[in-house]
Amino acid sequence: DSGVTQTPKHLITATGQRVTLRCSPRSGDLSVYWYQQSLDQGLQFLIQYYNGEERAKGNILERFSAQQFPDLHSELNLSSLELGDSALYFCASSMLLPTDTQYFGPGTRLTVL
Amino acid sequence: AQSVTQLDSQVPVFEEAPVELRCNYSSSVSVYLFWYVQYPNQGLQLLLKYLSGSTLVKGINGFEAEFNKSQTSFHLRKPSVHISDTAEYFCAVKTGNQGGKLIFGQGTELSVKP
Repeated sequence: DSGVTQTPKHLITATGQRVTLRCSPRSGDLSVYWYQQSLDQGLQFLIQYYNGEERAKGNILERFSAQQFPDLHSELNLSSLELGDSALYFCASSMLLPTDTQYFGPGTRLTVL
Repeated sequence: AQSVTQLDSQVPVFEEAPVELRCNYSSSVSVYLFWYVQYPNQGLQLLLKYLSGSTLVKGINGFEAEFNKSQTSFHLRKPSVHISDTAEYFCAVKTGNQGGKLIFGQGTELSVKP
């Protein structure tokens, strides 16, 4: 158990819908990262937050957004869903230093029908 | 821009045999290197990491990796594998000047047969 929790574990929805994925980081970690794992793209970095502020952005679509709340949990919002958004979404947390290890949650599997 | 190449997408091996999973990276700056393992239907678990110092890094479950700067490689090895090592293994890199994002290779599926 990494100490990072993600809910829900599974999500099945239809095209055009909007969903919210939730992540709680390990105790003491201020930074949260979101990654997408799909068969064709592999594991890709989406976005990073540190203590409530966006710190880095990767290959995140404009239909996707995220935020980190004062209690440090984070939410990833996916809207106007397409079939291609079906993937495993991971949250990871760490302190901030480049040498810090990122600890990953169990992931949320999103299926768009 | 950094990139990571895992040279084998699948590695089948018999139980108790040695295994090497290959990883090459490209970066013009100093890097930090990681190996993660993903068991079926689970998240990513850190196996080991290279930050600085000794180029031979030991991790959990008997795995080790060697950082080779001249060859830009970070191959993962285990002298004797078990059935329970069957999983997907990911090599990842990050630098100190690009926040904390990890750049992953495409993964290597290790399949240990009895």
